[in-house]
Amino acid sequence: DQQVKQNSPSLSVQEGRISILNCDYTNSMFDYFLWYKKYPAEGPTFLISISSIKDKNEDGRFTVFLNKSAKHLSLHIVPSQPGDSAVYFCAASPGSSNTGKLIFGQGTTLQVKP
Amino acid sequence: GAGVSQSPSNKVTEKGKDVELRCDPISGHTALYWYRQSLGQGLEFLIYFQGNSAPDKSGLPSDRFSAERTGGSVSTLTIQRTQQEDSAVYLCASSRTGTSGSRGPNEQFFGPGTRLTVL
Repeated sequence: DQQVKQNSPSLSVQEGRISILNCDYTNSMFDYFLWYKKYPAEGPTFLISISSIKDKNEDGRFTVFLNKSAKHLSLHIVPSQPGDSAVYFCAASPGSSNTGKLIFGQGTTLQVKP
Repeated sequence: GAGVSQSPSNKVTEKGKDVELRCDPISGHTALYWYRQSLGQGLEFLIYFQGNSAPDKSGLPSDRFSAERTGGSVSTLTIQRTQQEDSAVYLCASSRTGTSGSRGPNEQFFGPGTRLTVL
């Protein structure tokens, strides 16, 4: 049972344009959501997070939006740069858990074309 | 300082053999996690260590999988009698603490992973 889903395996955008990566979840008890970025042959690195009590968090070119009623979040990257090309994972933190373990989506491969 | 390191980076083994994967977390990090990523899948939680507490083994897929963490630092993930479905990238992560605080879960720093191929 996939609790965190990224239904788009890949996305291609032109440099300078906006990239929008989507993520859906099923468990309303998740209290934090995170985005990780992964380059080939490297481990994922933390990008941005959002608490379930907020609907938006912005950090530079990256903004995460949370729609709790729809159980949906999205990551916006604007303007997109070729260096943003990577696999992006959405992750959720189970609120009832005190272990800090994360539940990840399948990932979306973003390609930003120069 | 040094990040999370894992060894080996690649491991090819025959079905039925045992393998050991090693993780060196960031110094001072008390929490350590193992995840795996199978082809086309997301990261799947396997096991979590936090200080001297009993590990959370809820993600281990079978009793062929085990892990230990010696001295609160280095961790070894052991897979016995490997099967082809065990082929995946095994990722280790560490964080300062494991519990979620008021600002959310502590950031997990990942190693580069070990790519395991079972023939």
